[in-house]
This record gives sequence, C-alpha cells and structure tokens, in this order.
Amino acid sequence: NAGVTQTPKFRILKIGQSMTLQCTQDMNHNYMYWYRQDPGMGLKLIYYSVGAGITDKGEVPNGYNVSRSTTEDFPLRLELAAPSQTSVYFCASSYTPRDKAYNEQFFGPGTRLTVL
Amino acid sequence: AQSVTQLDSHVSVSEGTPVLLRCNYSSSYSPSLFWYVQHPNKGLQLLLKYTSAATLVKGINGFEAEFKKSETSFHLTKPSAHMSDAAEYFCVVSAPNDYKLSFGAGTTVTVRA
Repeated sequence: NAGVTQTPKFRILKIGQSMTLQCTQDMNHNYMYWYRQDPGMGLKLIYYSVGAGITDKGEVPNGYNVSRSTTEDFPLRLELAAPSQTSVYFCASSYTPRDKAYNEQFFGPGTRLTVL
Repeated sequence: AQSVTQLDSHVSVSEGTPVLLRCNYSSSYSPSLFWYVQHPNKGLQLLLKYTSAATLVKGINGFEAEFKKSETSFHLTKPSAHMSDAAEYFCVVSAPNDYKLSFGAGTTVTVRA
C-alpha cells in the first residue's frame, strides 16, 4: 500500500491564481481530511469528508473548496490564492466506523505552498 | 472541547540520554490521546495512542507515554535518545467517537552527538 499520497510536493503561486492540491489514499478509508500547518503551530483542520459525496467544514475553511467523488480521492481547491494561504498542507485519512472509540489518522507527506 | 498544551517548544538532548516531552490536556470527556512524530519534510507518523486501556502505553522506536488523569498529563519518554529521534513531536487529543483531532503546537527535538 502506498498509503496517503499528495501532489505536488512544492508549489509557488501568484496572488489571485488558482490551484488544486491532490490527495489519494489506497486504504479504503471512509474519512479524509485536509489540514494546514503554519510555523510554530499545530495542524488546523480545513475540511473533512465522511465518505464519497459528503464534505463539511473544519476550523479554517475560508478560501478553500473540496469535493469527494470517490472513496480514494479528496482534492483541495484554492480559487484566489492569497499570501495568508502560504502554508504546508497535509491530507489524512482514517477508518472510523460508528462504534470506534478513537480516530487514528494516517497522513500524507504534505504540500508546501507559497503565495507571492 | 478538547485542547493540549505542549510545555516545551524545543528540547535538546545528548545521544544516549533520556528524552522527556511534556503534554497536558484539557477535555470534557474521557479523551483519546496520541503522539505523532514528523521528520523533516515528511508527513506525520503515529508513535503511540491511549484509548482508555492501560495507562502506560508503549509505542514504536522505544517511546512510551503515561496517561495520568489526576495530573491531566500524557508525557512522552524514551530512555536513550538516538540521532534519528531528531524531529517535531505533536501531542494530540480527541473526544471518544469524534473525528476531530486537536493538535498541540509541537516540540522540536534536537539530538547532540
């Protein structure tokens, strides 16, 4: 299993440009997540999905959009890039049935995005 | 609501000496607690987890953590540091049956030869 894969690894955008960060998992996990990590901070949840066709906002969703058309893929879209979106973005997934008492998440290697 | 506080932003140890990373948590429920490690330019990897079973939890690479409810702490230890332990460590809390993880700000570990 490759686990959680993310592309690209690095990207530089100009203000106002758009891009999609790709995320794929091959573990048949139902939940998927997007986080951002800013220097000296823990990870903040942007969006999450509990299954194909279902997405919801996390703590910091403004400026982002997501879709979940398949179990495997969970792309994150930035429509009008702003300098405040300079960050490292992590995708994660978990298998979380209703009766599971905890939520162990598996993370991808991250995408380092700079907006100039 | 859940939150964690990692008491040290940076810890420096000599190779072969013990490592202690401190974490205090706040939770309205009996929490699940995790330690994740992030090596430079890599994703996060789960070191260990506490899920209301044994209070002393053993993880990978010789790490262990002890859940102390009376002190609301979940400190991470390793008896003997190795150069490969140089990384960022995150303490994470979640409520039972909850998808949300709340991350601490992280502790950077430096290992001196």
